[in-house]
Amino acid sequence: AQKVTQAQTEISVVEKEDVTLDCVYETRDTTYYLFWYKQPPSGELVFLIRRNSFDEQNEISGRYSWNFQKSTSSFNFTITASQVVDSAVYFCALSEAQRGGKLIFGQGTELSVKP
Amino acid sequence: KAGVTQTPRYLIKTRGQQVTLSCSPISGHRSVSWYQQTPGQGLQFLFEYFSETQRNKGNFPGRFSGRQFSNSRSEMNVSTLELGDSALYLCASSLAPGTNYGYTFGSGTRLTVV
Repeated sequence: AQKVTQAQTEISVVEKEDVTLDCVYETRDTTYYLFWYKQPPSGELVFLIRRNSFDEQNEISGRYSWNFQKSTSSFNFTITASQVVDSAVYFCALSEAQRGGKLIFGQGTELSVKP
Repeated sequence: KAGVTQTPRYLIKTRGQQVTLSCSPISGHRSVSWYQQTPGQGLQFLFEYFSETQRNKGNFPGRFSGRQFSNSRSEMNVSTLELGDSALYLCASSLAPGTNYGYTFGSGTRLTVV
């Protein structure tokens, strides 16, 4: 069965702190894709990153970095030096190659960055 | 280039009525997916269309249906509305099915059933 778990429901930090959002997934497929999306109050889901199951290289994009570990089925997201504009709900999602475009989302982590 | 456009943004309907939501994908995108977002159930997949054909369907009752037109625009319909159908409905478009291409989401239609 496919499942994505984001154990942290809410996180509150002070600006400039580093914060890591956890994501654990379950799948039986060998080919799958992992995603992170950001949802600001406007409601739109903003794409942040896509990773396929054969690429375990970590990635850094500005203040954002992602750590993909197949051994622990985790795909964690770190924001360095957080800013108030980072406040949003963040979703981790899984898609299996055999199931086309169906995205399975975690429950989301609401991040609040206070000045 | 224009993003994914969903109309209307907000909608209030009465129990028992039906509703139609519209999604215009990014130009050139031929795959459209729909998701329902509620506080209790989170984001759940409804269905995916490509070339006017439903390719994938989530676990929702038959009251939820959709279609895709030759210009790739998609509509979803919910008949006999229930209070529990109140949700944010999100549409996503992609060049083609499969996640090699990634999905771009619209801002959603917020449906309230009273």
